[in-house]
Amino acid sequence: KAGVTQTPRYLIKTRGQQVTLSCSPISGHRSVSWYQQTPGQGLQFLFEYFSETQRNKGNFPGRFSGRQFSNSRSEMNVSTLELGDSALYLCASSLAISQETQYFGPGTRLLVL
Amino acid sequence: KNEVEQSPQNLTAQEGEFITINCSYSVGISALHWLQQHPGGGIVSLFMLSSGKKKHGRLIATINIQEKHSSLHITASHPRDSAVYICAGNTDKLIFGTGTRLQVFP
Repeated sequence: KAGVTQTPRYLIKTRGQQVTLSCSPISGHRSVSWYQQTPGQGLQFLFEYFSETQRNKGNFPGRFSGRQFSNSRSEMNVSTLELGDSALYLCASSLAISQETQYFGPGTRLLVL
Repeated sequence: KNEVEQSPQNLTAQEGEFITINCSYSVGISALHWLQQHPGGGIVSLFMLSSGKKKHGRLIATINIQEKHSSLHITASHPRDSAVYICAGNTDKLIFGTGTRLQVFP
């Protein structure tokens, strides 16, 4: 089975722009979670989707949003980018709910200038 | 207030040494994950446990529910074990520790 894939792998944007990141889970997995990793804050939970519904959301501003499609692929969007949004964005998939073992993608490294 | 605390932050070892990384967590966490992150960012899930002990190869994870404490042990450490090890607690979402950077020298 193919692993979790994320596109793009690297991205450079400027302040004020918006960005959309994509995550394709392992075939058959229905839960996708998104995480942000920065040197200062470490890994933080963004949100989780299951069967096209947002199941849970972390403590991030409304500029961060996401969605999940019927094939379980997920996208996250960040609008009005700020310098502090520079981070590694990771998605992870699991068969059902996030409390199961999660399989992580390679991440998208976003740099905001 | 971080609900998951890890120690030590950094760890160096000689090849072959026995290594222990500790994780303490607060109430409300139903299970504990151990993750491994290599340079470049990729994260691999090593264990998920809610009780007892699990073993995979040279890696052993234990959890003590009463003491709210988990440990990750690496036996006969090898330079390829060099990575950041992260524990994460399950509430309704994952809450991560700050990670332990392990370097194993030949």
